[in-house]
Amino acid sequence: DTEVTQTPKHLVMGMTNKKSLKCEQHMGHRAMYWYKQKAKKPPELMFVYSYEKLSINESVPSRFSPECPNSSLLNLHLHALQPEDSALYLCASSQDSGGRERGLAKNIQYFGAGTRLSVL
Amino acid sequence: GESVGLHLPTLSVQEGDNSIINCAYSNSASDYFIWYKQESGKGPQFIIDIRSNMDKRQGQRVTVLLNKTVKHLSLQIAATQPGDSAVYFCADRVTGNQFYFGTGTSLTVIP
Repeated sequence: DTEVTQTPKHLVMGMTNKKSLKCEQHMGHRAMYWYKQKAKKPPELMFVYSYEKLSINESVPSRFSPECPNSSLLNLHLHALQPEDSALYLCASSQDSGGRERGLAKNIQYFGAGTRLSVL
Repeated sequence: GESVGLHLPTLSVQEGDNSIINCAYSNSASDYFIWYKQESGKGPQFIIDIRSNMDKRQGQRVTVLLNKTVKHLSLQIAATQPGDSAVYFCADRVTGNQFYFGTGTSLTVIP
C-alpha cells in the first residue's frame, strides 16, 4: 500500500468557519508534510512532522494549525481563513528524515491527491 | 525561498518523440534531487531521483542528467506517450527532509 489518503477532496468554507483537513498513511512512514499549491504553481512547504513532532514550520500564519495524533495521521485545522488561502492542500509522507547520503531515498515523498479548498 | 527553477513553462511534443525537460538550481549545497509528475487532479508522483555524486541515472523510459558545474538538471522521456502529459517538477533537498520545488513544466503530448 503506497497510498496517502486525504479527506475531504473538496471543501468550501466561510471566513468565520472552523474546519479540518485529514491525511492518513499506512506505509509506516515517520515523516509527514503539509504543502499548499496554488493554481499553476509548485507546491509550497508549510509544515513537517518527524516522528510525530513538528520539526519545520515555514512561517505559516497561525490560522493554520497542524496536528499529528499518531504516526499514521496528520490533520490541518483551519480557522478564520482568508480568500487568498484558497488552494490545493497536499499531504505527503516519507519513510524517514534521513540526513545521511545512504538514507537519501528515505526522503522520497509520497503525496495524496489533495484537498481543494475554497474560502468565501 | 525557492532555489530551483525551470527554463520552459510549457512543452509540446509529438507522440513517440523524446522529451527533454530542464531545471536549474541555485543551491550548490543541494545533494539530492527528485523529479515529480503531477497529473490533473492528482498529487505529485515520484518519477526518479539522483544524488549529487552522480551524473546520470536511468529508469524505465526516463533518464535524469545532473550537471553540477552549471547547476542544471534535466529529465529525458523516451518515446513520449499521451499518458506522459502532465506538469513535471524538479525538487532539491535543502536540508534533512526539506525539499523545494521548481516552477514546473507543463508537457503536452500531441497524438
